[in-house]
Amino acid sequence: SQTIHQWPATLVQPVGSPLSLECTVEGTSNPNLYWYRQAAGRGLQLLFYSVGIGQISSEVPQNLSASRPQDRQFILSSKKLLLSDSGFYLCAWSGALGTEAFFGQGTRLTVV
Amino acid sequence: AQKITQTQPGMFVQEKEAVTLDCTYDTSDPSYGLFWYKQPSSGEMIFLIYQGSYDQQNATEGRYSLNFQKARKSANLVISASQLGDSAMYFCAMRPPGGSEKLVFGKGMKLTVNP
Repeated sequence: SQTIHQWPATLVQPVGSPLSLECTVEGTSNPNLYWYRQAAGRGLQLLFYSVGIGQISSEVPQNLSASRPQDRQFILSSKKLLLSDSGFYLCAWSGALGTEAFFGQGTRLTVV
Repeated sequence: AQKITQTQPGMFVQEKEAVTLDCTYDTSDPSYGLFWYKQPSSGEMIFLIYQGSYDQQNATEGRYSLNFQKARKSANLVISASQLGDSAMYFCAMRPPGGSEKLVFGKGMKLTVNP
């Protein structure tokens, strides 16, 4: 069966520090991968999605970047965090011809 | 552009009663998919049910059913026999056609089930 792993679960980082959140999927190949952010009490905002290795689409201009170095690995990064980067980050995957997306456990990021 | 609207900020329901969560969407594409997710306080997003725009019948999944009214562009979630564990945020989402496979989410609504 397919599983998705996302870590860390919580993170407190100072303003200006770098960020690296990692997401990996097991049990499937060539998944579509997504990074979402959820601000407190709000809906999910799509940040990045990827349909293949090295293929990244950005939905909104921001202080973040994403990379897909391997088929089932998706990384969210920042060189210098801002206070506004605080939020709940969710990684998700869906099949190439799939319907629903399956989510990781999420990372709660607090920038201080 | 696709848009999902969930206007109910919060709802309360008594345990064992049925509840309907509203969702309307806007798209000019004839082909799309509609989804409902549940987000408990732990934060994870749990997939509940899917409805394709060309599906002839309303989707059902256990206690969850989707009241799909294509002409009105609504995809309401019906939860029958509410349980205390159903208390959570609920999000409606849509996958537009085009191959990107991305999901567009509504703002969600909070359901509280009272004993």
